[in-house]
Amino acid sequence: SAVISQKPSRDICQRGTSLTIQCQVDSQVTMMFWYRQQPGQSLTLIATANQGSEATYESGFVIDKFPISRPNLTFSTLTVSNLSPEDSSIYLCSVARDHYGYTFGSGTRLTVV
Amino acid sequence: DQQVKQNSPSLSVQEGRISILNCDYTNSMFDYFLWYKKYPAEGPTFLISISSIKDKNEDGRFTVFLNKSAKHLSLHIVPSQPGDSAVYFCAAGGSQGNLIFGKGTKLSVKP
Repeated sequence: SAVISQKPSRDICQRGTSLTIQCQVDSQVTMMFWYRQQPGQSLTLIATANQGSEATYESGFVIDKFPISRPNLTFSTLTVSNLSPEDSSIYLCSVARDHYGYTFGSGTRLTVV
Repeated sequence: DQQVKQNSPSLSVQEGRISILNCDYTNSMFDYFLWYKKYPAEGPTFLISISSIKDKNEDGRFTVFLNKSAKHLSLHIVPSQPGDSAVYFCAAGGSQGNLIFGKGTKLSVKP
C-alpha cells in the first residue's frame, strides 16, 4: 500500500483565516481524495483531485471554500478558506491504487476559534 | 439520504466472544465494500474488503459477509480482543473510484 504523509496533524486557527493541508505520497497515484469527518459524522468526500485537471467537488462543497492543488502525481494540498467554527473537523487525504488499495493519511484535526 | 448506514453507534463485547458489526447500503451499483478501523487521533486503516461477486471473505480473525439481495454486509471478529476496541467504518465503492462511508460503530472489547 502507498504511504501518505499528511501535515499538519493538527492546528488551531482564527475565524476568517485559511489553513492549507498537505499530502505527500511515496509513489505516483492517479487519484487522490479529500475527506472530512465532522464530530459524530461519517467520512464525507469533499473532492477528487486528479493530476493535470481541476478537482471534482461533491455536492455541498465548492472550489472557493476548498481550493485544491495537484501539481504532480505524488502531492496534493487542500485549503480550507475563510474559516468558521463549523469547519472544525478532521480532514483526511486518501489515495487509491486499486479497489482494495485505499490508504489514508493520518488526518489533520482543525479547530477554529 | 445516507447510502451507507451503520445503525449501531456502539457495541460492547466481552473478550473472547464474537463481535458482529453491521452495515446496510442502498445503492445497488456499489461493487466492492471495505471495512476500516480507526483509533483516536489516527487515520482509518484498511481491515478487509469484499467484492460484490463474493459473499464471504476471511482474513484471520476477521470475516466479512455480503448479502446482496438484502444490501447488507457484516464484519465478524472472532475471538474479540481488547486491542480490537476502535471505531469501525464500512465503506462502499463503485466505478467512480471514491468511497462512501457509514458513520461508524464504536466497538469496546472488555477484558
